[in-house]
Amino acid sequence: EDQVTQSPEALRLQEGESSSLNCSYTVSGLRGLFWYRQDPGKGPEFLFTLYSAGEEKEKERLKATLTKKESFLHITAPKPEDSATYLCAVRMNYGGSQGNLIFGKGTKLSVKP
Amino acid sequence: DAGVIQSPRHEVTEMGQEVTLRCKPISGHNSLFWYRQTMMRGLELLIYFNNNVPIDDSGMPEDRFSAKMPNASFSTLKIQPSEPRDSAVYFCASGRGQDTGELFFGEGSRLTVL
Repeated sequence: EDQVTQSPEALRLQEGESSSLNCSYTVSGLRGLFWYRQDPGKGPEFLFTLYSAGEEKEKERLKATLTKKESFLHITAPKPEDSATYLCAVRMNYGGSQGNLIFGKGTKLSVKP
Repeated sequence: DAGVIQSPRHEVTEMGQEVTLRCKPISGHNSLFWYRQTMMRGLELLIYFNNNVPIDDSGMPEDRFSAKMPNASFSTLKIQPSEPRDSAVYFCASGRGQDTGELFFGEGSRLTVL
């Protein structure tokens, strides 16, 4: 079963229309939640790391927050250049591989001028 | 500083042929990851190395897939023989330490197996 679920799958916004993307996870012993941005034909680009509930990180128009079961990526007054697919990934605390990031399938954001 | 460099960017081959994908990580990074991305399954980790040593290859689909890292600046992912279901974008990423969540991805190698 999916351990990382992102919603919505796709989101269309008008320029300046703020919104939020959701990443929910069903893992225990979270050892970090990570947000990435992916442009078409490119590899994912790292945005944020969150480690504990209540933590927040900001970068320009983006703010990431974390609770015990989900993370939100808030986009304030988006611009067309914010259009991309946003991926979240989690690392679990378990006895197996420590290097494995489990990625969600992403939210494709389109911002129209 | 150059990012992660992958080659080839695009590869079209026929079923049964051998495919070799190449990756040069960022200098100074000691962990290297191979991911595969498809629409259906998203990004999946295939294998990762720490200090050139394979740590976890549980994501490698089957014996047709193999990966090597002969030195700190080069890694290969080989598929032999290739099958149509292997068609995907293969990404290489590097980072500082195997526990890092901050990975630097290459631009990917798009593989099409006919």
